[in-house]
Amino acid sequence: QKEVEQDPGPLSVPEGAIVSLNCTYSNSAFQYFMWYRQYSRKGPELLMYTYSSGNKEDGRFTAQVDKSSKYISLFIRDSQPSDSATYLCASGGYGNNRLAFGKGNQVVVIP
Amino acid sequence: NAGVMQNPRHLVRRRGQEARLRCSPMKGHSHVYWYRQLPEEGLKFMVYLQKENIIDESGMPKERFSAEFPKEGPSILRIQQVVRGDSAAYFCASSPIGQNQPQHFGDGTRLSIL
Repeated sequence: QKEVEQDPGPLSVPEGAIVSLNCTYSNSAFQYFMWYRQYSRKGPELLMYTYSSGNKEDGRFTAQVDKSSKYISLFIRDSQPSDSATYLCASGGYGNNRLAFGKGNQVVVIP
Repeated sequence: NAGVMQNPRHLVRRRGQEARLRCSPMKGHSHVYWYRQLPEEGLKFMVYLQKENIIDESGMPKERFSAEFPKEGPSILRIQQVVRGDSAAYFCASSPIGQNQPQHFGDGTRLSIL
């Protein structure tokens, strides 16, 4: 079983819609959760960084972590064509700096 | 640009040659990580280094791969006697000192093996 599972299916939404992305993880030791955005031929760019359960909001982006169900989510409000990219979820455990990544979701926002 | 710098961006090698990938961390960062991204796969952790120390190499293949982060200069990921299966994008990340600090990535080196 992979440590972080992310359904890699592409997602197309119209401009202005809410984008909802999800991951599950299996390692109970994970306490740090991240979302990265990756444009084609570029490196991952850190979007959100959260510790333990709860919500974190930054502009149009909201990250949610539910440790009881080992479920992490990213919501993008008022999506823009510039949000078209691959979104990667990642998790890490305290004292262990190795990150485990999901496969990524390709998101296309249609103008 | 004070971000993580990787070079070269693209590297082509023939089977059996050596590949050297370089990474300069963000200013003020003393921790370096290497990840590999294969087509249709997520990023896979390879190795975590601090200056002159390998902290965690649990993701490194046992043979042909090595990494270093010397006191002076960039971190180097070295792949000896490359094979076709080594073709991938190799990403370096860095973080400041401290546990579980956010990791910031470079734009990667795309290695192609002929």
